[in-house]
Amino acid sequence: DQQVKQNSPSLSVQEGRISILNCDYTNSMFDYFLWYKKYPAEGPTFLISISSIKDKNEDGRFTVFLNKSAKHLSLHIVPSQPGDSAVYFCAASEGNNDMRFGAGTRLTVKP
Amino acid sequence: SAVISQKPSRDICQRGTSLTIQCQVDSQVTMMFWYRQQPGQSLTLIATANQGSEATYESGFVIDKFPISRPNLTFSTLTVSNMSPEDSSIYLCSVASGSSYNEQFFGPGTRLTVL
Repeated sequence: DQQVKQNSPSLSVQEGRISILNCDYTNSMFDYFLWYKKYPAEGPTFLISISSIKDKNEDGRFTVFLNKSAKHLSLHIVPSQPGDSAVYFCAASEGNNDMRFGAGTRLTVKP
Repeated sequence: SAVISQKPSRDICQRGTSLTIQCQVDSQVTMMFWYRQQPGQSLTLIATANQGSEATYESGFVIDKFPISRPNLTFSTLTVSNMSPEDSSIYLCSVASGSSYNEQFFGPGTRLTVL
C-alpha cells in the first residue's frame, strides 16, 4: 500500500530554470510532509518540511507547496543549479507515527 | 543534526549467509530506525529500535530474519539473516531529532548484494 507517490521517476531541467517536483498522497491523516535529497552513495538529507496547517514554506531557493484538498505537494527549486542534481524523496507522517516515503524523483540540472 | 556512520558501506554475500550492519551516531539518541531501499523503490521502514526495549517491526519484517540490537544510545546493529538475492538492497539507519519521528537524519547506507 503505497501511501506516498512520486509519479515522475526523473526530471531534467536547464540551469537557471525552475524545477518542480511533485508528490501525491492518499492518507488524509498525514499532517507533516518533508522533502529529502539524496546524492549517490550517501544517505538522504533533510531539505525542507511543511506542516498541514500551512500551504507554503520557503527556504532560500526551495519552496514547498501543500494542497490538502488535492492531497498533493510540490517542491519548487528556483533557480536550479547543477549541484541540485540528486534524487528527491517526498515523505509524510501522521502525528508521531512512521514516515512514509515516495519512490523518489531523479533531478538532473543541465549546465 | 547528528553524524551517522555505517559499516560496511557495501558487501557482496553468498546466499544462506548472514550479514551484520553497524550504525554509529555521534550523539545520544533515543529513537533509531532501520530502512531498506530496494532498487527503484521507496525507503521502507524495517523496524524502530529504542534503547532499553525490544525493536518494533513493521508489517512484513520479522525478528528472526532481521534481528536488531540496541545496546546503548549511540549504536545499533541490524543483521540480515539467511540471505537470498531478494535481500539485495541498500540498508539505511536513521535517527530522529528530538522526540518526534518527523525529521530524521540518515546514515550513508550499506549496499548489499546477495549472489
